[in-house]
This record gives sequence, C-alpha cells and structure tokens, in this order.
Amino acid sequence: EAGVVQSPRYKIIEKKQPVAFWCNPISGHNTLYWYRQNLGQGPELLIRYENEEAVDDSQLPKDRFSAERLKGVDSTLKIQPAELGDSAVYLCASSLDGKGGYEQYFGPGTRLTVT
Amino acid sequence: SQKIEQNSEALNIQEGKTATLTCNYTNYSPAYLQWYRQDPGRGPVFLLLIRENEKEKRKERLKVTFDTTLKQSLFHITASQPADSATYLCALDNQAGTALIFGKGTTLSVSS
Repeated sequence: EAGVVQSPRYKIIEKKQPVAFWCNPISGHNTLYWYRQNLGQGPELLIRYENEEAVDDSQLPKDRFSAERLKGVDSTLKIQPAELGDSAVYLCASSLDGKGGYEQYFGPGTRLTVT
Repeated sequence: SQKIEQNSEALNIQEGKTATLTCNYTNYSPAYLQWYRQDPGRGPVFLLLIRENEKEKRKERLKVTFDTTLKQSLFHITASQPADSATYLCALDNQAGTALIFGKGTTLSVSS
C-alpha cells in the first residue's frame, strides 16, 4: 500500500513569492491534515479536512495561507506571499477517521526555505 | 491551554539498556495518547496508541504506560539497539478529540 505522497520535497523561494505544496493521502482515508514543523519542535496543526470540508482551520494564518481538497482526495496548501518566518517543514498526514483514537500516517514533508 | 512536556531534548544510552522517555501534560485529560518516531528528513511514524482507561500497552520491545492521575506517560524501549536512535514524539488528542497536539520530542541516541 502506498503511503502519503508529498511534493516537492524541497523548495527554496525568495520572500514575497508564492509557493504551493501538494499531498496525496492514503487511499480510503477520509481525514487529511496539514502540519507545520519548525526545527526542534513537534508538528503543529494548520488545517484538518473531513473529505472535502475544512473542519478545523483555526491555526491557519488566513491572510497568506490557503488550502483546498478537491473531491476529497488530493490537497494543496498555498502560501502567498511567503515570509522569512514561514521557513519550516510542511507535513501532510491522513487517517481513516478524524475521531480521536486513530493513528495518523505522515508523508515525508516539504522543506521550505524562504530567503 | 493544553501543554505537553517531554522530559528532555536528548537521551543517550548504551546498546542493550532500557530507554525510558517521559511525557507530561497539564490542563486537561486526553482520551488518547500516541507515540511517534521521527527520523531525520522524514515524517513521524506511528508506534503506539493508549487509551485513558488502559494502564499499559506493549508492542514487541516497546511499552507505554498512561497514568491519568500523574498526567504522565512513560515510553520504554527494552534491549535498545543503535537502530532505535531517532526522535520520539508524544501526542495527545485535544479536548475536542479532533486533532493531535505534539510535544517537542526527545532525541534518543543508542551507542554500541
């Protein structure tokens, strides 16, 4: 079974430029998560989808970040414009169900460097 | 707000010994607690989940305990091997049960 796929793996951009990350979750997983992980920290949730609906985006900086999950499968996270402080690893994860008690499966992440 | 603390940033032990990692939490009572392993340049990998009504759970050389009175979980790796070297993350479900809150992690180094 294929795991969570993310692309690109690495991205270097200048500040004020836009950037987009793509995620393909495990087949059959209804719940999709985007996390941001800063160096030396644990992942922090940005947004959670149940199928195509964003059910928790309270931590998403909506002035510059946007996300979508078309047809309840693949998802894209976008930053426009990027700031220096956005440099981090962006992780996508999926789980069978969004209720508590389900393990999450993570992709390898996209390491973003903003210069 | 919910807070999670993992006892130390780094833990160094010798091969064959038991590694014990600690996760403390405050301000709420989670229904579930999970442990993940993360290697450099990779996403976290799920290891174990324990529910609030479970005291202990085991999987091969791994053991997790969950003490809701102390608000603490202990994660043990017995007969540790250099291949166990990684960062281990503790994660709790938030009060709504809709998301995981992760600790900063403890980096374990097992020397041969």
